[in-house]
Amino acid sequence: GESVGLHLPTLSVQEGDNSIINCAYSNSASDYFIWYKQESGKGPQFIIDIRSNMDKRQGQRVTVLLNKTVKHLSLQIAATQPGDSAVYFCAENRDDNFNKFYFGSGTKLNVKP
Amino acid sequence: GAGVSQSPRYKVAKRGQDVALRCDPISGHVSLFWYQQALGQGPEFLTYFQNEAQLDKSGLPSDRFFAERPEGSVSTLKIQRTQQEDSAVYLCASSPRQGNEKLFFGSGTQLSVL
Repeated sequence: GESVGLHLPTLSVQEGDNSIINCAYSNSASDYFIWYKQESGKGPQFIIDIRSNMDKRQGQRVTVLLNKTVKHLSLQIAATQPGDSAVYFCAENRDDNFNKFYFGSGTKLNVKP
Repeated sequence: GAGVSQSPRYKVAKRGQDVALRCDPISGHVSLFWYQQALGQGPEFLTYFQNEAQLDKSGLPSDRFFAERPEGSVSTLKIQRTQQEDSAVYLCASSPRQGNEKLFFGSGTQLSVL
């Protein structure tokens, strides 16, 4: 369970603050990106997605930014809550024909009350 | 339930033993994926089915790994002669169609090979 975090970059934020989690992707041909949230003992849960013809997309309390020039993706979480504590993964899709995703190594978000 | 279901939740195997992991995707989902997640890492692609056809098995680590989806719904991942390096969480995911869609993941099977 908790030992997963030993190998992951960790971001610690105070409850109520905004969080920014970054991800560098590798393939300039990737055209669809997803941020997933994974809580201990559970599978990844979809948060938000973005296609390569966009540079920003907003959801409820979350925003994803895509910079194709430097192959960088970020996830912004507004007013971070204790329930946001989890490991966050970015995933990239390189093939229009089927959704085979490549995942990053993840960032552990700790929200301090 | 409405989500992807995987069983067993935990599996402990002795080295050399064969194991079978089951995935029930969301009803009607065409695409089914198996991923392997080692401790502290992101999921890594193993194999992909579109209905009953296995279209990509490039991620399977060795010929000890075998997956099937004979009727285009339930899928089984089988690992023969398990080794310690096979210890990981095996995640199943499905999506309604093919191509550029989000995946819905199950909670995974945690395999420990002793």
